Amino acid sequence: DAKTTQPNSMESNEEEPVHLPCNHSTISGTDYIHWYRQLPSQGPEYVIHGLTSNVNNRMASLAIAEDRKSSTLILHRATLRDAAVYYCILRDAETSYDKVIFGPGTSLSVIP
Amino acid sequence: KAGVTQTPRYLIKTRGQQVTLSCSPISGHRSVSWYQQTPGQGLQFLFEYFSETQRNKGNFPGRFSGRQFSNSRSEMNVSTLELGDSALYLCASKDPPYEQYFGPGTRLTVT
Repeated sequence: DAKTTQPNSMESNEEEPVHLPCNHSTISGTDYIHWYRQLPSQGPEYVIHGLTSNVNNRMASLAIAEDRKSSTLILHRATLRDAAVYYCILRDAETSYDKVIFGPGTSLSVIP
Repeated sequence: KAGVTQTPRYLIKTRGQQVTLSCSPISGHRSVSWYQQTPGQGLQFLFEYFSETQRNKGNFPGRFSGRQFSNSRSEMNVSTLELGDSALYLCASKDPPYEQYFGPGTRLTVT
């Protein structure tokens, strides 16, 4: 199963953009890149996903490298409520089941 | 729609006992997955059920088992509890191939 690597922790100032990187060098052609985040004392929450093209939604943007071996989650203006652990995972959409591997994620701290 | 619910939210058990955790998925979701989360190992996949059938399983011993009912509700059971089983157990549901939605988890403490 393809794995991802992320920095253990990052810091950002409030109201500034945050770029969270993820490496997935063994990604296969049918793997989608998903991002989840987990706030303290809660279950993980879906943020965004993509296959090849960059994606935007109300929460964030996802920039995917042309060779798909890395991606970056972009929070355009960090707020205190964005302080969480962010997980980058790969999911094979073709097989319709998922045996997802969650790494340790990136713990994001937002400084007021 | 109501979200994924898990019961109980907190549980304390003694080594050697067994425990059953329950998960009610979002209405209409037929897939339920279970995960174990610990500070040392992070979030680890336990198993997935779809239409009452287990269709994927992670690398956990046979003491961990589960089942899914016809209404898609799921239970997981851990027998002969060990101290290392203390963890947050998360349930997630989805209507494939769409996104998973996680519940708040059950915090299990084994003493």
